Amino acid sequence: DVKVTQSSRYLVKRTGEKVFLECVQDMDHENMFWYRQDPGLGLRLIYFSYDVKMKEKGDIPEGYSVSREKKERFSLILESASTNQTSMYLCASISIGFSGANVLTFGAGSRLTVL
Amino acid sequence: AQSVAQPEDQVNVAEGNPLTVKCTYSVSGNPYLFWYVQYPNRGLQFLLKYITGDNLVKGSYGFEAEFNKSQTSFHLKKPSALVSDSALYFCAVRDMNTGFQKLVFGTGTRLLVSP
Repeated sequence: DVKVTQSSRYLVKRTGEKVFLECVQDMDHENMFWYRQDPGLGLRLIYFSYDVKMKEKGDIPEGYSVSREKKERFSLILESASTNQTSMYLCASISIGFSGANVLTFGAGSRLTVL
Repeated sequence: AQSVAQPEDQVNVAEGNPLTVKCTYSVSGNPYLFWYVQYPNRGLQFLLKYITGDNLVKGSYGFEAEFNKSQTSFHLKKPSALVSDSALYFCAVRDMNTGFQKLVFGTGTRLLVSP
């Protein structure tokens, strides 16, 4: 089974801190994603990457950046954390292919609280 | 733009009764539709998908979903609910406007199965 591992399950940070959320997948997937989950809003795409060093903005990229230096690792960076970035962050990966039917595999999530 | 709507924030059902979690979609072209489930403090797990073919799709844990093109719906169903089915359910559609396997998620429906 594909495994997507998010290094931190729970984080508490202070306003203005720089925050790194790490995600690693072990199945050589090309595409990786960072979503944010908030009650009543569902999952919203922050950034995604389709190859090493390649990235695309999602629907809510403001206040975030990403890094993908190796195929298996995709990092989400909050340059200066703010209280409105308190949320659950979900990483996911998927293999590309001719079919659009491939399935996203998610990590367990990282719950970030910004005080 | 591709989108899905989940009109119910919460669905309550008694154990042993049938359950339905509703989802409607809006896409250009043929839809690729998915259902995911999230148990407390966990990431999302894939349940089932519709790509083409039979309108009734069977998935994990006894769930199934019915694709209805005329009503643009993809409702999740189970003949007999279990207390352990209590979770948050997300409908999703693949964004066909990009080649990056992006999924657009609904806002989620919380299913509560009472003993």
